[in-house]
Amino acid sequence: QQKVQQSPESLIVPEGGMASLNCTSSDRNVDYFWWYRQHSGKSPKMLMSIFSNGEKEEGRFTVHLNKASLHTSLHIRDSQPSDSALYLCAAGRSSNTNKVVFGTGTRLQVLP
Amino acid sequence: GALVYQYPRRTICKSGTSMRMECQAVGFQATSVAWYRQSPQKTFELIALSTVNSAIKYEQNFTQEKFPISHPNLSFSSMTVLNAYLEDRGLYLCGASRQHSDYTFGSGTRLLVI
Repeated sequence: QQKVQQSPESLIVPEGGMASLNCTSSDRNVDYFWWYRQHSGKSPKMLMSIFSNGEKEEGRFTVHLNKASLHTSLHIRDSQPSDSALYLCAAGRSSNTNKVVFGTGTRLQVLP
Repeated sequence: GALVYQYPRRTICKSGTSMRMECQAVGFQATSVAWYRQSPQKTFELIALSTVNSAIKYEQNFTQEKFPISHPNLSFSSMTVLNAYLEDRGLYLCGASRQHSDYTFGSGTRLLVI
């Protein structure tokens, strides 16, 4: 069964710092990744998706993808306390984006 | 915009009883509905995926006998947890998507079993 591994499990960064989160899929057929953010007591909200090798930037958020290693990373620069949340990585196949497998999540805490 | 509502938000049931939860897509027609469970001990687990014109596919460790799902139209899905026990506790999330689109999640139904 496909697994999506995220690391670290938890991360604490100071306000204004850089947070880096990692995610790797065990399914070699996966070619689409999503990053979701879930604030406490709320539903997950999609942050960014990526399916091409390389980098994608949206504001303070940058996502990298290395398809060969099935590894994606999310980087948050100038971290804010409001970024504190559970970050979930999800992987799927572009041929069937309906089935999405989530990782264990990284709990980010940004200290003011 | 696309919204997904789940009902109830929270429910408590006695061990061995069953409870039904609902998922409603608003503002779009969901061609796929995925039910997940987020429990304290485990990760975000995919229970089953329901896609229009396809049979509902259950993941390993989840069965139709335990988690029957109904997806009668493109905006509504329901799932029942039969004979709920402690290990069934958690937040049940419904995600709905259009064709080749990202999932929009509801706020979840939190199930407590006593």
